[in-house]
Amino acid sequence: DAGVTQSPTHLIKTRGQQVTLRCSPKSGHDTVSWYQQALGQGPQFIFQYYEEEERQRGNFPDRFSGHQFPNYSSELNVNALLLGDSALYLCASSLGQGSPLHFGNGTRLTVT
Amino acid sequence: QKEVEQDPGPLSVPEGAIVSLNCTYSNSAFQYFMWYRQYSRKGPELLMYTYSSGNKEDGRFTAQVDKSSKYISLFIRDSQPSDSATYLCAMIVNYGGATNKLIFGTGTLLAVQP
Repeated sequence: DAGVTQSPTHLIKTRGQQVTLRCSPKSGHDTVSWYQQALGQGPQFIFQYYEEEERQRGNFPDRFSGHQFPNYSSELNVNALLLGDSALYLCASSLGQGSPLHFGNGTRLTVT
Repeated sequence: QKEVEQDPGPLSVPEGAIVSLNCTYSNSAFQYFMWYRQYSRKGPELLMYTYSSGNKEDGRFTAQVDKSSKYISLFIRDSQPSDSATYLCAMIVNYGGATNKLIFGTGTLLAVQP
């Protein structure tokens, strides 16, 4: 039973560029949430997708956007990258919006 | 003030010790409380999940929630070197509602020395 898978595992981008991160949820899960984890910090909620719609959003600017596909997989897009966007980006899936989250191993984004 | 406060450590203990990890929070509306374990270069792994106040035990792990004090704890008995990781507390107001998002502490780095 495959867990949450994320790609790529590592990414290096230049300030001002755009990036797309991908996530496949755990088998049987239909809800995907994205979190940003800066070094030495706990994960911070970015947004959640359910039924291909953004259901809730954290305190992140519009440069952060996402999408959920009919097969429940999801993408996180970040435009106009800033040095401060360097972090581990975690995808988490759940069955509906009312069950515990299962996390992937994340994508480590470095912005230079 | 952060909604969830957690001592970042590091906490170093000898193998076999009892470990106590704690978080305090300010939002009395939190109802669900979780502990995640995160190994280096890995994503968080759900360890314990409790609803409201009380204790929950799972093997060597015990989670306690005291809503009156806004304080949660995770106890690890007979700690092993393989328990060395960052432990994150997390909480949520209401699954499926308008506040359906996990709020995490900063994590406590635990090292169990053989």
